[in-house]
Amino acid sequence: ELKVEQNPLFLSMQEGKNYTIYCNYSTTSDRLYWYRQDPGKSLESLFVLLSNGAVKQEGRLMASLDTKARLSTLHITAAVHDLSATYFCAVARYYGNNRLAFGKGNQVVVIP
Amino acid sequence: GAVVSQHPSWVICKSGTSVKIECRSLDFQATTMFWYRQFPKQSLMLMATSNEGSKATYEQGVEKDKFLINHASLTLSTLTVTSAHPEDSSFYICSARHKGLAGSYNEQFFGPGTRLTVL
Repeated sequence: ELKVEQNPLFLSMQEGKNYTIYCNYSTTSDRLYWYRQDPGKSLESLFVLLSNGAVKQEGRLMASLDTKARLSTLHITAAVHDLSATYFCAVARYYGNNRLAFGKGNQVVVIP
Repeated sequence: GAVVSQHPSWVICKSGTSVKIECRSLDFQATTMFWYRQFPKQSLMLMATSNEGSKATYEQGVEKDKFLINHASLTLSTLTVTSAHPEDSSFYICSARHKGLAGSYNEQFFGPGTRLTVL
């Protein structure tokens, strides 16, 4: 069974500083996604990572994937309040009609 | 492009009644739609996978007779919560996989969610 673990589950960030959050998964997969969710809202797609060593950047967020370690990281550069949200990673089951397994999420709060 | 809508956005119903939630892909055809449930401050749990014109595939532990899924067209899937009870109160989110979009990487596009409260 594919399991996805994210840590830390809660992270308080200071504005202007850099942070990294982590996503580990248990079995082989060929796609990993990062999403953002604001309270009471649905998911906003951030990144899709397809191959070992993949790195994608958008604004202050940068995601990377190490398929050998089954690890993805989401790096936040110079955190700002607008980045306060819950970040989910989801991993596609290798054989399974693109069914996704989600982690529990990283709840991020950026404080001045 | 790749917009998914859900209706209603929120619903309150009495215990024992049935509630239907619609999920539509507005500007693309979706071969597959997925239904998720999310409890407060929890992750998304996949309930079922819905393929157009065929029966839905339910995840282990999800009662198919309670959560009826119909995927009648490439742009519409419905989830009916039958005989709803307070423990069914949750945030229900659908997603749709884009058919034939080059570079979509089988990505799922998520609807805005439906908040169900059963009294």
